[in-house]
This record gives sequence, structure tokens and C-alpha cells, in this order.
Amino acid sequence: NAGVTQTPKFRVLKTGQSMTLLCAQDMNHEYMYWYRQDPGMGLRLIHYSVGEGTTAKGEVPDGYNVSRLKKQNFLLGLESAAPSQTSVYFCASRRVGEAFFGQGTRLTVV
Amino acid sequence: GIQVEQSPPDLILQEGANSTLRCNFSDSVNNLQWFHQNPWGQLINLFYIPSGTKQNGRLSATTVATERYSLLYISSSQTTDSGVYFCAVPHGGSQGNLIFGKGTKLSVKP
Repeated sequence: NAGVTQTPKFRVLKTGQSMTLLCAQDMNHEYMYWYRQDPGMGLRLIHYSVGEGTTAKGEVPDGYNVSRLKKQNFLLGLESAAPSQTSVYFCASRRVGEAFFGQGTRLTVV
Repeated sequence: GIQVEQSPPDLILQEGANSTLRCNFSDSVNNLQWFHQNPWGQLINLFYIPSGTKQNGRLSATTVATERYSLLYISSSQTTDSGVYFCAVPHGGSQGNLIFGKGTKLSVKP
């Protein structure tokens, strides 16, 4: 039982490049979330999903897209990376109650 | 939306000392979580505590939902307790994401 797994753990992108972050959970959770963490800001919600095939915007969605084609996977895409998207990204999942987080992806955009 | 405030923002302890971290929230909630973010950036679940008191080894937590606060107690602190402690409460809407405080940064000196 791996819990919540994020891929990759680290990535450096050039401005304008695209990439996809993968989140996979094996707990059969309905809800999945993408957060970003910036120094002194805590964690802020980017996008979320309440079930397979559904997605919605969170607090800071601009510049990101998401997809939830399978219940266990939640993908976060950056179509044209910008330096302002340098951050640590966390995925989380829950059913009812307690949320569990992945180990994070450290992304640097140069 | 709901506001989450943590205090103190920074705390320096000598190994073996005890400490109390506080989390205040601005509206009624039906659950609350405490996390430890270790120096490697991982978010570790400490407690899922909607109300009452729970204990896990040297750590314990108390939530008084009617008065809108929660306390995290760390006894006999160790250097491995260093890191940032976050509390988080659920958003009031249907998406169920967590709203995080800005954290308490704990440094335990040997």
C-alpha cells in the first residue's frame, strides 16, 4: 500500500516548456487535490477533483490544467512554464475525513 | 472564507524541553488535521482530530471545536522534531480541500 505517489520528485524546466506531474493513489479515494507551496505562504489549492472525470478550479488555477481520467490518477499540466511557477507541488487524496499527501515535486523554472 | 492562524510562527527549543503550538480558526469545522513537514519537505500526518484529545507517543493534540482552537503538545523534544508544523481545516464548500495555516517553524537544538 503505497498511499499517494507523485512523479517526478524534481524537475527543472526552461521558460515556455511544458510538463505533466502525475499523482497516483491506491486508497480508492474519491477526492484528489493539487496544491503548491511557496515560502511563507503555506499550501494553496490549484485544482481539485471530486471523482473520476470531474475537475474544478481552486484558489490559484491560472497557468495549470488537470485531468482525472482514472479514479486513481490526477494529472497536473503546465502548458507554458513561467518562473512564477517555481514551487513545490503536493498532491493529496481523501474519501471522507483524513487527507493524505504525496512526497512533493520540486519544480524550478529558469 | 475560513481563516487559520498558527502561533508562534517560530520556536527554538533545547532538546528535552516541552512546547505547545496553537491553531485558531475563524469558523466552526467538522475536522482538523495536524501535519509535520520535515526538513526534507515531506508532509507527515500527525493527528486527525475533529474534537477531544489524542495522543501518539510524545505528541498529543486537543481540539476544542466550540471555542475554535486546537493545541499540539510536544514533550521531551528531540532534534528529529525540527521542521514546520501545520494545522489545516476543511473548506466549508463541497470540494473538501484543506485550508492551511502558515505553520510554526520548530528548531530543536542538541
